[in-house]
Amino acid sequence: EVQLVESGGGLVQPGGSLRLSCAASGFTFSTYFMHWVRQAPGKGLVWVSRINSDGSKTNYADSVMGRFTISRDSAKNTLYLQMNSLRVEDTAVYYCVRDNNFKIDYWGQGTLVTVSS
Amino acid sequence: QSALTQPASVSGSPGQSITISCTGTSSDVGGYNYVSWYQQHPGKGPKLMIYDVSNRPSGVSDRFTGSKSGNTASLTISRLQAEDEADYYCNSYTPSITLPFVFGTGTRVTVL
Repeated sequence: EVQLVESGGGLVQPGGSLRLSCAASGFTFSTYFMHWVRQAPGKGLVWVSRINSDGSKTNYADSVMGRFTISRDSAKNTLYLQMNSLRVEDTAVYYCVRDNNFKIDYWGQGTLVTVSS
Repeated sequence: QSALTQPASVSGSPGQSITISCTGTSSDVGGYNYVSWYQQHPGKGPKLMIYDVSNRPSGVSDRFTGSKSGNTASLTISRLQAEDEADYYCNSYTPSITLPFVFGTGTRVTVL
């Protein structure tokens, strides 16, 4: 059974940093592209970042470019999102998702990041 | 690209059918057969219901069907049940490296 379990969310002040983790199991992690998708409270889903299967290529939404860094550790079957210079508008539930040939087929339960003073 | 356009809400009585539309452009929905639909219950992560326009993952009820015409995709829920009450989001692949997946605005389905 495919499982994606996010952790690392919490309350942080504007300008602060946070690192999210996503533990993957039930599939061969190293063969899939992975993404982060976020959902602000009461709002819709928004794509944040993507990393290819071997970690050599990354992409970011314009809103987070230069502030967020996606990475992965295939030895630990874990996906990461390092978030720096956080803004109030980054407040959201962050989901780790699996990309299976142009479709997102599995989602984690999400981890809440709250940016507030 | 901005978000794909969905109606904010759709409602129906148990046993009825409802259809949710998802309108994009020729750069996303209209250009590729990579449209997916997700169901999200409150406080939960989304669940894949339809992929590649009209395919159902194993375990998803055949009451859910997907289709596409031009730049608009649609999700139809037949024989509506109370458990179908949730938010639904469409999603399309795009060739943009800064937005490889664009989501719809979301539709709240209410079972009357």
